[in-house]
Amino acid sequence: ETGVTQTPRHLVMGMTNKKSLKCEQHLGHNAMYWYKQSAKKPLELMFVYSLEERVENNSVPSRFSPECPNSSHLFLHLHTLQPEDSALYLCASRPGQGSYNSPLHFGNGTRLTVT
Amino acid sequence: AQKITQTQPGMFVQEKEAVTLDCTYDTSDQSYGLFWYKQPSSGEMIFLIYQGSYDEQNATEGRYSLNFQKARKSANLVISASQLGDSAMYFCAMREAGGYGQNFVFGPGTRLSVLP
Repeated sequence: ETGVTQTPRHLVMGMTNKKSLKCEQHLGHNAMYWYKQSAKKPLELMFVYSLEERVENNSVPSRFSPECPNSSHLFLHLHTLQPEDSALYLCASRPGQGSYNSPLHFGNGTRLTVT
Repeated sequence: AQKITQTQPGMFVQEKEAVTLDCTYDTSDQSYGLFWYKQPSSGEMIFLIYQGSYDEQNATEGRYSLNFQKARKSANLVISASQLGDSAMYFCAMREAGGYGQNFVFGPGTRLSVLP
């Protein structure tokens, strides 16, 4: 069982809907990430939070809104998405700054389809 | 800007044979880390092996080893004695050293198919 849990596993939403993706980690890590994985594209970094502070925002459209209420939880709020936003959204965590050889620990992802 | 290149979109290997998956990277940092991940069809990204830029020995982890050639900026993954369960996407990634040192850049991946 993964130490990083994402819900839901699958989500279908219309372009006018509002939904949220949830990520929870039980590894005691201080940094959490959102990545987008589209077909035939490398993983794209969206956001990085370190100790609940956003430290990276990779030019993501404002229709994606992250929230990190504490170091164990990360949300991605979605509204007025476009069909091209359909992708696998992966959450990851790692211990934090200074842990240079620590890998990212990923969840199973949320498969999002925008209709 | 950093970049990871994986030139093999797909690879086939016979069961029990060894296979090498290529990865080259581009960075001006002196300190960096290289990681390989496996992604089965279920979608989860599984960490396989790590190589630090200052590590003099090639990393090994069970059937996985890393052929690290720093001057050529390559970090190829070698899987020995392939198993059917090794069929998956494989991603090479690099962690930057500057700033928060928390950003990971991924290559486009190689799809490995192990044939019985």
